[in-house]
Amino acid sequence: RKEVEQDPGPFNVPEGATVAFNCTYSNSASQSFFWYRQDCRKEPKLLMSVYSSGNEDGRFTAQLNRASQYISLLIRDSKLSDSATYLCGPRDNFNKFYFGSGTKLNVKP
Amino acid sequence: EAQVTQNPRYLITVTGKKLTVTCSQNMNHEYMSWYRQDPGLGLRQIYYSMNVEVTDKGDVPEGYKVSRKEKRNFPLILESPSPNQTSLYFCASSLLQGGGEQYFGPGTRLTVT
Repeated sequence: RKEVEQDPGPFNVPEGATVAFNCTYSNSASQSFFWYRQDCRKEPKLLMSVYSSGNEDGRFTAQLNRASQYISLLIRDSKLSDSATYLCGPRDNFNKFYFGSGTKLNVKP
Repeated sequence: EAQVTQNPRYLITVTGKKLTVTCSQNMNHEYMSWYRQDPGLGLRQIYYSMNVEVTDKGDVPEGYKVSRKEKRNFPLILESPSPNQTSLYFCASSLLQGGGEQYFGPGTRLTVT
């Protein structure tokens, strides 16, 4: 079983739509959780950090469910520029980082 | 500007010819790490380092070496590259205290023929 599982997508949505991604993790020792955005052939860039139950930054909301071991990312009012791959990455209490394979989002006009 | 730099950005080499990919960060981060990214497999950790002279294997260390002689530098060494090491490589750094989010370098695209 993979440490981190993500639906690879692609999620094809129209501009203005609300879209949500889930990420499940198997390591219950995970302490911190991160969502990264990765554009094609570029480096991952931090989008949001989640340390307790959730975090919100503008159109982006991340929620953590420790009991069920998943985190979600909600994007409201999708923009064309949101098209990218979104990586989920927990960090455990031994400072080990894990990554999912990413979920691809295509926002269409 | 706070950043992680990698060199070279692109490299085409032949099987067996030793190479080094450099990584440097200017944020005084203790933690540094190397990943490879392949289609469908996501980011896989090769090696990581929690501080100077402290390195440890990640999930796919075979065929790679690292060293951490200075806090800012963490080079990745391929002693005898093989075609299955053709990949996109990322270096990353992080503080161990605080949030722990990682900052990535721009990537090195390596092709081994």
